[in-house]
Amino acid sequence: DVKVTQSSRYLVKRTGEKVFLECVQDMDHENMFWYRQDPGLGLRLIYFSYDVKMKEKGDIPEGYSVSREKKERFSLILESASTNQTSMYLCASSLEGQGTYGYTFGSGTRLTVV
Amino acid sequence: QKEVEQNSGPLSVPEGAIASLNCTYSDRVSQSFFWYRQYSGKSPELIMSIYSNGDKEDGRFTAQLNKASQYVSLLIRDSQPSDSATYLCAVGFSGGYNKLIFGAGTRLAVHP
Repeated sequence: DVKVTQSSRYLVKRTGEKVFLECVQDMDHENMFWYRQDPGLGLRLIYFSYDVKMKEKGDIPEGYSVSREKKERFSLILESASTNQTSMYLCASSLEGQGTYGYTFGSGTRLTVV
Repeated sequence: QKEVEQNSGPLSVPEGAIASLNCTYSDRVSQSFFWYRQYSGKSPELIMSIYSNGDKEDGRFTAQLNKASQYVSLLIRDSQPSDSATYLCAVGFSGGYNKLIFGAGTRLAVHP
């Protein structure tokens, strides 16, 4: 069974901390994505990566960065956590194919910044 | 700005009825369409995909696509309380990198 694994289910961090969210997929997918999901706002794309070391900004990249050193791993970094970054963070992966493949999501990380 | 619109609901249906969930999208060159189910506190799970005009059936689920009207729907027959969830519509637009645009979701409540 294909899997996308997010390292933490729940995290509580302090304002100003540097936060790392890790995501690993075992499907040899080219594309990986980071979303945040907030009530009433739906899924919003933060960053995505289509290849190792390649990244593209999504709709809300401010305050975030990403790293993809290996094909299977895509990390989201909050450089200096703020309370407005409290959210559910979802990692997803997919094959590459011009918008023709669905995503497989990880189980999510619920981040609380205090 | 590409958009995917869904009625937020809640859509309330009795057990055994047909639930009809609707989604409209803004880009005429959209290629692929997906329905995800998301239980409260869980991540989205892909349940249907459709690429051509018409109907696609999978068990109790039927996806319907009308590209001329820029409309995609999901029908759930014989609805069960376990179908109570938020259903997300996602649309794949041309332009590479398999980016999907998600609607905000429709909450479905199936009551016994």
